[in-house]
Amino acid sequence: QSVLTQPPSASGTPGQRVTISCSGSSSNIGSNYVYWYQQLPGTAPKLLIYRNNQRPSGVPDRFSGSKSGTSASLAISGLRSEDEADYYCAAWDDSLSGPWVFGGGTKLTVL
Amino acid sequence: QLQLQESGPGLVKPSETLSLTCTVSGGSISSSSYYWGWIRQPPGKGLEWIGSIYYSGSTYYNPSLKSRVTISVDTSKNQFSLKLSSVTAADTAVYYCASYDSSGYDAFDIWGQGTMVTVSS
Repeated sequence: QSVLTQPPSASGTPGQRVTISCSGSSSNIGSNYVYWYQQLPGTAPKLLIYRNNQRPSGVPDRFSGSKSGTSASLAISGLRSEDEADYYCAAWDDSLSGPWVFGGGTKLTVL
Repeated sequence: QLQLQESGPGLVKPSETLSLTCTVSGGSISSSSYYWGWIRQPPGKGLEWIGSIYYSGSTYYNPSLKSRVTISVDTSKNQFSLKLSSVTAADTAVYYCASYDSSGYDAFDIWGQGTMVTVSS
């Protein structure tokens, strides 16, 4: 049972816009930044979004993040086949859950 | 360009101690802006943060694993290590080491390739 809650799956067709949600609490998302990772099959996670809505160098602007209260979202516009991957949200947590917590992950399928 | 590489046994017996090392290249493990961490991923499951260490030796552990985890740093070898005691099959996972730059993206942004550890007799 992950501290942050994500839908297990999401899907979309090429060119479509999809969003992935991440729900937390006042001790994590509600009071700290949210981060998003993309994990392609058989590879290590890659940082996609930091500090709620910032993109690291090299990440396309098709990826965007937002946060409101104790929830956050990752949006992917102009969906491409290479976007098919697992996506994880993460955040610092001020409670006994531990300093760093992840969501359970969302598998994105490009139809 | 900072690079991390995990190493250690791929098979550990139940009740024994899992030991992994992460070698840092392309930068100093003593950098004051970096934290170093271990994250694991059981087969077909999500990511779980195990713990982190600062070059000074300050450690932060996942409360659910704290009683069994020790993370240490060896500045002379530019390495940091993970020890997880009393392992069971539930500890079977891909173990990643990662770096966290508090002056950069403020997140675990550089990851090793991961190493699979199986707990089995």
